[in-house]
Amino acid sequence: AQSVTQLGSHVSVSEGALVLLRCNYSSSVPPYLFWYVQYPNQGLQLLLKYTSAATLVKGINGFEAEFKKSETSFHLTKPSAHMSDAAEYFCAVSLPGYGNKLVFGAGTILRVKS
Amino acid sequence: DGGITQSPKYLFRKEGQNVTLSCEQNLNHDAMYWYRQDPGQGLRLIYYSQIVNDFQKGDIAEGYSVSREKKESFPLTVTSAQKNPTAFYLCASSSRSVNTEAFFGQGTRLTVV
Repeated sequence: AQSVTQLGSHVSVSEGALVLLRCNYSSSVPPYLFWYVQYPNQGLQLLLKYTSAATLVKGINGFEAEFKKSETSFHLTKPSAHMSDAAEYFCAVSLPGYGNKLVFGAGTILRVKS
Repeated sequence: DGGITQSPKYLFRKEGQNVTLSCEQNLNHDAMYWYRQDPGQGLRLIYYSQIVNDFQKGDIAEGYSVSREKKESFPLTVTSAQKNPTAFYLCASSSRSVNTEAFFGQGTRLTVV
């Protein structure tokens, strides 16, 4: 069974500081990996996805993530946090042949301090 | 503009009542999904459908029912058998191609009063 673990339910950074949100997955086969962002009382918006074409994936709003098979990780980073980055972030995984069903981590709430 | 529309945005239900949440998409997607979101638990899959007139149970289907009579529509009924229905419900759709992302609606917040 596939699963996703997001370390840290809450992360707090200062404006301008590095953002690092951690995601580890468990899967016996290489999965497809996604990061989504959710603002309060809204749906989810795709930030980026791992397509197996490149291990370093660039997404919207300056975010990027690196797929590391040896560590079964797909951590999300942004060099410099902005106040508008405050939101909840979800890592998700799907397996080929399973109908694109997404399995989500529990989420990480990012707080950005001025 | 293409997208997914969920209605209503807020819904209040009395105990013992069934309620139906609407989800419509005009993205021409074959697959549609219903997720439930509770604080600190991420999103959990209730039901999904890969094609019209077919749907499968997800991880937490008890107390819920769905139908898929049209490609564009995937309504979710929360029945009185669902003991803890207060939650945020999200509908999503995707193509059936591999490695494709899901697109989400804006959600319906259901509260039992």
